[in-house]
Amino acid sequence: GAVVSQHPSRVICKSGTSVKIECRSLDFQATTMFWYRQFPKQSLMLMATSNEGSKATYEQGVEKDKFLINHASLTLSTLTVTSAHPEDSSFYICSASASGREKGYTFGSGTRLTVV
Amino acid sequence: DAKTTQPPSMDCAEGRAANLPCNHSTISGNEYVYWYRQIHSQGPQYIIHGLKNNETNEMASLIITEDRKSSTLILPHATLRDTAVYYCIARNDYKLSFGAGTTVTVRA
Repeated sequence: GAVVSQHPSRVICKSGTSVKIECRSLDFQATTMFWYRQFPKQSLMLMATSNEGSKATYEQGVEKDKFLINHASLTLSTLTVTSAHPEDSSFYICSASASGREKGYTFGSGTRLTVV
Repeated sequence: DAKTTQPPSMDCAEGRAANLPCNHSTISGNEYVYWYRQIHSQGPQYIIHGLKNNETNEMASLIITEDRKSSTLILPHATLRDTAVYYCIARNDYKLSFGAGTTVTVRA
């Protein structure tokens, strides 16, 4: 149980375009989802926390107008990278938690974004 | 979350136990110790967590010192597939903050 599906796994886009990444909890309802970014040879950096039905909370230094997060249902959160630039190229990972789960969070398999 | 300190890397032999240390000397009483690992280009995988008592599951054992200032993750019989970055996290709220972790390389 506790599977999180992230799609797409890889995406290449042109500079200036927008890219949407989906994160779905397949067998549980995720009241909270998190989005991380990971640059090569670095650790995961939390970008934002989204709660179903409310606005996302962004970490300091993360542009909310550039990284749009929508958590419209208890099983789906989306991250849209708007007007992507090469410096946005990174590994984006989501995680999800259901209230009361002691095991912490389940992570998606990640999305490798390359902006050319 | 309390800051954790881990060695940047370690090697271990296939089939032997791997003992991964973590220092969390500023941990508070309500902070759990969580361990995750990340195999290259994948999302992190939950391993185990604990508060005060030692814990064991099908993947690993977690030994927490009595003063809770440090802990050790034990992989009882390391395999090549256990090669990964291992993260020790002290958590007391809804967020998980990742440090640099320990890069564990299991060698045949």
